[in-house]
Amino acid sequence: GAVVSQHPSWVICKSGTSVKIECRSLDFQATTMFWYRQFPKQSLMLMATSNEGSKATYEQGVEKDKFLINHASLTLSTLTVTSAHPEDSSFYICSASLNTDTQYFGPGTRLTVL
Amino acid sequence: EDQVTQSPEALRLQEGESSSLNCSYTVSGLRGLFWYRQDPGKGPEFLFTLYSAGEEKEKERLKATLTKKESFLHITAPKPEDSATYLCAVQVRSGGSNYKLTFGKGTLLTVNP
Repeated sequence: GAVVSQHPSWVICKSGTSVKIECRSLDFQATTMFWYRQFPKQSLMLMATSNEGSKATYEQGVEKDKFLINHASLTLSTLTVTSAHPEDSSFYICSASLNTDTQYFGPGTRLTVL
Repeated sequence: EDQVTQSPEALRLQEGESSSLNCSYTVSGLRGLFWYRQDPGKGPEFLFTLYSAGEEKEKERLKATLTKKESFLHITAPKPEDSATYLCAVQVRSGGSNYKLTFGKGTLLTVNP
């Protein structure tokens, strides 16, 4: 149980384009979903927290107009990186939580911006 | 500011050689401490949650313990398949009814056969 999927697993795009990443909880309804970014040999940094049907709460320093988060249902959240630039290249990981306790993580999406 | 420090950064063991990983934390209002395992290029895999000092949890060759200032992940007779990065995270209130995790940088464990 508690399986979270992400799609795509990797994506390469040109600078200036937008990229959408999907996060799905496959066997449970997630009241809250989280988006993280991880740079090589660094730990996970929380970008934003989203509750179904509500606007996402962004961490300090994360541009909400650049990283658009939509949490339309209890099983799906999307992260759109708008006007991507090479410095946005990173490993993006989502997690989902049934209640306020354990977060279950997806397999991650490797974004490379050329 | 909430801080989580893991040590050592890297640990190399021989198969069967037991050891411990450390996670020290400074937070206001700790709700829980989590241990995750992360393989290269993958998302973290949940291992344990600890909520109060003195609590212990075990899973196969792993045992996690918690005090008021730190947590230990003990690995008994490790096998090569235990090789991974082990992440510690503290859960604190982030506003409203939401809770967020603050992660340490992890300990890269390598177990040689």
